[in-house]
Amino acid sequence: DVKVTQSSRYLVKRTGEKVFLECVQDMDHENMFWYRQDPGLGLRLIYFSYDVKMKEKGDIPEGYSVSREKKERFSLILESASTNQTSMYLCASSSWTSLRDGSYNEQFFGPGTRLTVL
Amino acid sequence: QKEVEQNSGPLSVPEGAIASLNCTYSDRVSQSFFWYRQYSGKSPELIMSIYSNGDKEDGRFTAQLNKASQYVSLLIRDSQPSDSATYLCMNSGGSNYKLTFGKGTLLTVNP
Repeated sequence: DVKVTQSSRYLVKRTGEKVFLECVQDMDHENMFWYRQDPGLGLRLIYFSYDVKMKEKGDIPEGYSVSREKKERFSLILESASTNQTSMYLCASSSWTSLRDGSYNEQFFGPGTRLTVL
Repeated sequence: QKEVEQNSGPLSVPEGAIASLNCTYSDRVSQSFFWYRQYSGKSPELIMSIYSNGDKEDGRFTAQLNKASQYVSLLIRDSQPSDSATYLCMNSGGSNYKLTFGKGTLLTVNP
């Protein structure tokens, strides 16, 4: 049974704090992703990683950084949390379909972390 | 900017009817297409994937892809109240190796 886990379901932090969101997958997937989901805006890609120590910016990387030191673990870091980073954060993983055409297989999502920044 | 557009919804259908969800995409080079279902307060789960032009059927679900028209759809036959959820269209591959989700269509199936 495939599994993506996230470190917290709910998190409350204060403005200016450094925040770590952790994601672990047990499927030996090459690719891992961080999204945020907001009402009316849908899912937006923050960062993704296609290999250990590799990272690529998504559509909204500003204010975030990531770390992938091990294949199974992908961390999202908010260096200095702000109120506009209050959101649902979703982690996902997938394997490659084909490197040649840049496709991915389906993504498996974790349960999400609802972050509130006060 | 590569985009995926879905019919805005919300969409309401009676139980037993066919629900039709539509999606258009702008990146002509996109290779893979996915439909995800997301229940309120839950994370998305895969319903269907489709890579080639034509229809793909899985139980009550049929995905249709037309690459020439840059259009992908999801049909749900014999809709059930348990199908009430937000449906997300996603494509991947293409010119920038990225993934793009649509904003989703909220479907309500009325008993």
